[in-house]
Amino acid sequence: DTGVSQDPRHKITKRGQNVTFRCDPISEHNRLYWYRQTLGQGPEFLTYFQNEAQLEKSRLLSDRFSAERPKGSFSTLEIQRTEQGDSAMYLCASSFGQEQFFGPGTRLTVL
Amino acid sequence: LAKTTQPISMDSYEGQEVNITCSHNNIATNDYITWYQQFPSQGPRFIIQGYKTKVTNEVASLFIPADRKSSTLSLPRVSLSDTAVYYCLVAPSNNLFFGTGTRLTVIP
Repeated sequence: DTGVSQDPRHKITKRGQNVTFRCDPISEHNRLYWYRQTLGQGPEFLTYFQNEAQLEKSRLLSDRFSAERPKGSFSTLEIQRTEQGDSAMYLCASSFGQEQFFGPGTRLTVL
Repeated sequence: LAKTTQPISMDSYEGQEVNITCSHNNIATNDYITWYQQFPSQGPRFIIQGYKTKVTNEVASLFIPADRKSSTLSLPRVSLSDTAVYYCLVAPSNNLFFGTGTRLTVIP
């Protein structure tokens, strides 16, 4: 299957620790997106890349969050000094046209 | 981003047609209307997209009136596997705003 993949699928960490998630998009897709989703809510946009350029960041993306897409292929999302409020599902999506294809997500639990 | 309003939840019996309406009064000229489906513990999945009039694919139809201030997703003859959250989005392709969606429950 050549869909969007995310790693890890689950992450449990203690408050104050740093975590990094990886997203591998569909290979021919030039756009990559990160979203965060909490229980009972729809996904919230965090940031967007076109190739390696980060073109847009949400105000939700505090300075503890950083995303990279160094070679225009896979992307990483790092959260520094995690807080309990960071507990959520982190979703990655990629696209070439209008339709976004989502990965299965990484579920983060901050204790 | 144009704000959307859709019912929080809907119930339907198996085999019935389900219509979910979304209001988007502030839609912009370059906005498309897109619907996504999400099952628990999975990422959203694209269902259908349109700009105006009617669009139909193998899973759904999308009806958009001339003023584009609303749209209706139509699911023909739903089955239990159609139980999911359905999101109406109005935007260009980037920076999607999902809202809380409509939770559809299909009853046997």
